[in-house]
Amino acid sequence: SQTIHQWPATLVQPVGSPLSLECTVEGTSNPNLYWYRQAAGRGLQLLFYSVGIGQISSEVPQNLSASRPQDRQFILSSKKLLLSDSGFYLCAGRREDRNEQFFGPGTRLTVL
Amino acid sequence: AQTVTQSQPEMSVQEAETVTLSCTYDTSESDYYLFWYKQPPSRQMILVIRQEAYKQQNATENRFSVNFQKAAKSFSLKISDSQLGDAAMYFCAYMSYGQNFVFGPGTRLSVLP
Repeated sequence: SQTIHQWPATLVQPVGSPLSLECTVEGTSNPNLYWYRQAAGRGLQLLFYSVGIGQISSEVPQNLSASRPQDRQFILSSKKLLLSDSGFYLCAGRREDRNEQFFGPGTRLTVL
Repeated sequence: AQTVTQSQPEMSVQEAETVTLSCTYDTSESDYYLFWYKQPPSRQMILVIRQEAYKQQNATENRFSVNFQKAAKSFSLKISDSQLGDAAMYFCAYMSYGQNFVFGPGTRLSVLP
């Protein structure tokens, strides 16, 4: 079965510090991958998606970036975090055979 | 652009009762998929049920069923025999071929003992 792993689970960072969140996928090859952000009690905001290695599309201009160095690895980064970057970050993959999205457990980021 | 609307920010239901969550969407496509996802307090997103637009029959998964009205662009979720574990945020989502998922803003469901 297809599974997404994310780490860390929780992160507290000071304003202006760098960020690296990692997402890895098991059980499928060449999946479409997605980064979402969710503010407390709110819906999902699509940040980036990738259809393959090195291919990144940005949905929202901001100080975050994404990279896909390997087929099953998707990384969310920032050079300098802002207070507004706080939130819950979800990585998702797409099951092409059923046109569904499956999600990782998420990373709770607090920027102080 | 496609949009998904969930007009009920919060709902509550008595344990063992039935509740219906509403979802409407806007699209000009004829072929697409609709989904309901559940996000419990752990915040892990879990697929509850899916519906292909070309299928007239409403999807069912145990206590969960949908009322899909294609012409009205409506996709409601019915939860029967509600259980305490059903308490969660519920997100309606839309996807058409070659497009990304579009999620609604969510409905927070409380289950009262």
